[in-house]
Amino acid sequence: AQKITQTQPGMFVQEKEAVTLDCTYDTSDQSYGLFWYKQPSSGEMIFLIYQGSYDEQNATEGRYSLNFQKARKSANLVISASQLGDSAMYFCAMRVIVDAGNMLTFGGGTRLMVKP
Amino acid sequence: DAGVIQSPRHEVTEMGQEVTLRCKPISGHDYLFWYRQTMMRGLELLIYFNNNVPIDDSGMPEDRFSAKMPNASFSTLKIQPSEPRDSAVYFCASTPSGRGSYNEQFFGPGTRLTVL
Repeated sequence: AQKITQTQPGMFVQEKEAVTLDCTYDTSDQSYGLFWYKQPSSGEMIFLIYQGSYDEQNATEGRYSLNFQKARKSANLVISASQLGDSAMYFCAMRVIVDAGNMLTFGGGTRLMVKP
Repeated sequence: DAGVIQSPRHEVTEMGQEVTLRCKPISGHDYLFWYRQTMMRGLELLIYFNNNVPIDDSGMPEDRFSAKMPNASFSTLKIQPSEPRDSAVYFCASTPSGRGSYNEQFFGPGTRLTVL
């Protein structure tokens, strides 16, 4: 079974500073994908970034980057130059490729609050 | 591009009433997922379909919950009878198959259900 752990229920960051949201995962499979989603107060789930287990480079998407440490089974999200609009819940999720069902397993989320 | 469409966006009902939530996935996506989100339990996968066929319904809490996908463009989640503990946000998501490990799930806006 797959498991995603986000150990930070809530975090504060000063506007314009960088912040790292932690995510660790547990799987015995070799082929998998890791995802981060953002959920603002309006409730929608917004896809941010993806990392494949065989990708050698850390994924980046604008101000978002994924610090992927395969041996440690961690996939932390780094947000650079935080903005007030980054205040939201952030969810880490994993998909195991051998699972033909295409399911995502989600972590419990981290609430990020950006201070002006 | 319309995205995943859910209706209604908000539903308030009384205990014992039947509730039907609706979802239209993105055209061409052959996987459809129903999730429930609560403060206590986070994001839970209830059931998912592949090519209109239910694949895994192990997350459905009890017999009061049922889901159907009569065609590729429509799915329903029904609760009968509803109970106050069913109050939650229900998300529908869809994703295409293929593309290896990269299968971002596209989420609908959610239905906020309140059972009084």
